[in-house]
Amino acid sequence: GAVVSQHPSWVICKSGTSVKIECRSLDFQATTMFWYRQFPKQSLMLMATSNEGSKATYEQGVEKDKFLINHASLTLSTLTVTSAHPEDSSFYICSARDKRYTGELFFGEGSRLTVL
Amino acid sequence: AQSVSQHNHHVILSEAASLELGCNYSYGGTVNLFWYVQYPGQHLQLLLKYFSGDPLVKGIKGFEAEFIKSKFSFNLRKPSVQWSDTAEYFCAVNGNTGKLIFGQGTTLQVKP
Repeated sequence: GAVVSQHPSWVICKSGTSVKIECRSLDFQATTMFWYRQFPKQSLMLMATSNEGSKATYEQGVEKDKFLINHASLTLSTLTVTSAHPEDSSFYICSARDKRYTGELFFGEGSRLTVL
Repeated sequence: AQSVSQHNHHVILSEAASLELGCNYSYGGTVNLFWYVQYPGQHLQLLLKYFSGDPLVKGIKGFEAEFIKSKFSFNLRKPSVQWSDTAEYFCAVNGNTGKLIFGQGTTLQVKP
């Protein structure tokens, strides 16, 4: 299968600072990537759809100014949590679709953000 | 809007017991259906998927799922579970929006 990698795996930051999480498709080009958020013992909630070369599409209730998404190339999407607060602490997971595997999404390892 | 409901939140089984995890979805059109597994400390992995054809789908590690269109269901089954099947299981649906919507997840704990 295709490989999706996220960095960093763990990040701890102070309240009020911004944190950037990278999502890379390592062996394929992804015109679309998806960002999910997973709370402990809960399901994955789709936050936004990241489109290469255009603005991201956010799900209802997700603050686009808080969660900045940039998809500048076919292999990289970034999620920046701006002015982070403790309630932003969560597990963020990205995924991408590889045309070689019809319809299947491949997931990154996830990034655990802790805001102090 | 699409939605996915998993009936069992936490399942505890002994090794060799049979498993069935329920999944129902809400969407009137053509759907693609998935079951993903998340082992402790690992990322999501695809167990199996249904796009069309035979409604009984076989996946990895002895898992299978049956798509019953009239019941909007896609239940996951395994005849005999192992301790290594302890994990979180997610049902997911992909309709015409292209977005993958997940169910709440089911925690499976298999006792040796």
